[in-house]
Amino acid sequence: SQQGEEDPQALSIQEGENATMNCSYKTSINNLQWYRQNSGRGLVHLILIRSNEREKHSGRLRVTLDTSKKSSSLLITASRAADTASYFCATEMNSGYSTLTFGKGTMLLVSP
Amino acid sequence: GEEVAQTPKHLVRGEGQKAKLYCAPIKGHSYVFWYQQVLKNEFKFLISFQNENVFDETGMPKERFSAKCLPNSPCSLEIQATKLEDSAVYFCASSQSQGTGTEAFFGQGTRLTVV
Repeated sequence: SQQGEEDPQALSIQEGENATMNCSYKTSINNLQWYRQNSGRGLVHLILIRSNEREKHSGRLRVTLDTSKKSSSLLITASRAADTASYFCATEMNSGYSTLTFGKGTMLLVSP
Repeated sequence: GEEVAQTPKHLVRGEGQKAKLYCAPIKGHSYVFWYQQVLKNEFKFLISFQNENVFDETGMPKERFSAKCLPNSPCSLEIQATKLEDSAVYFCASSQSQGTGTEAFFGQGTRLTVV
């Protein structure tokens, strides 16, 4: 079964607005990563947050992690049309294998 | 190379035919991962390699699916006797090392359509 579950499944906003996506998972993790997938293309790594971190920033991205609630959020500020893509969270568990377990993704549409 | 190269981009097979997909990891990366994405949804982990050795095969279907990573050759994922449900995009990823928080770099995928 999938470790990560994102919500919402789809999000439609206007350029300049902020977009927030959430991810919940079930088991203990080493880290949680967010990836972006443009239509028909491969995954692009956005940001990684370790289990002992609570918040991380990268440009217009802000990621939070709450291990007590087993959840994470990805905030994209001042969104642009180019941010239109599917966003996936992926967890690396304490298995020693570095295998990533992905959620089902959030499809973000940013309209000009 | 500087990126994970997957070939072919598209593959169409009739039910029962064999399908073989290839992946050249980034030069210097020791770990290779295969994932299956059905209908633009979740990514299902299949198998990973450390150099030419199977590292984790917990996601690999026991029948019909096999994979190899041989020295000086692209890695391959082979599906014997394909079924309609095998239609998906298969992604390969590579990473430099194994360990907490190692970034995986993904290829553009091979879209397999079984008709």
